Amino acid sequence: GAGVSQSPRYKVAKRGQDVALRCDPISGHVSLFWYQQALGQGPEFLTYFQNEAQLDKSGLPSDRFFAERPEGSVSTLKIQRTQQEDSAVYLCASSRDRGNTGELFFGEGSRLTVL
Amino acid sequence: AQSVTQLDSHVSVSEGTPVLLRCNYSSSYSPSLFWYVQHPNKGLQLLLKYTSAATLVKGINGFEAEFKKSETSFHLTKPSAHMSDAAEYFCVVRGTGRRALTFGSGTRLQVQP
Repeated sequence: GAGVSQSPRYKVAKRGQDVALRCDPISGHVSLFWYQQALGQGPEFLTYFQNEAQLDKSGLPSDRFFAERPEGSVSTLKIQRTQQEDSAVYLCASSRDRGNTGELFFGEGSRLTVL
Repeated sequence: AQSVTQLDSHVSVSEGTPVLLRCNYSSSYSPSLFWYVQHPNKGLQLLLKYTSAATLVKGINGFEAEFKKSETSFHLTKPSAHMSDAAEYFCVVRGTGRRALTFGSGTRLQVQP
């Protein structure tokens, strides 16, 4: 596809379950970002990859959150032992540059609901 | 640390009237500022960006924003609203040397027929 693709679009998990969210960036894009958007709020930065290297993970809220991009393309955000406060929309964005222009292309997001 | 404050959570205008969405920023250095738009069930889209080349920035769909350092503002305007402009708008700042974007809390624009 031409845009950033995220799956699943909707995920319902019971508290304590592990979840994995996938992001397919635009082909050839060097930079990949994950953001978390709580209901009624603006997105908040989680982590940043340049190719396969995770250069910034300062936004990950706890060690239950883990992200990877092993081959510099597809990325997975994993949340272990989900809690209710993890309920949010998780946004993936990619950029053709090294992330220093702020010109990001966003996917539609994965909405996680933790019961 | 950099931050942005969007002064209105909701703005309602009539079709064909001007739009003004207000944003103030706080940054230790000369910031890069952006406006992104989020339509229902669509991904965030870049409207325009300021990076110190010109204080008046033109974006897509007739939107523009003016950087005013003395007022630490970066308000978004459009002369004439269209029904398709109804969406959530985010003012965004990126600090010098950082790749992470800091988003405001958003302004929901409603356009009445």
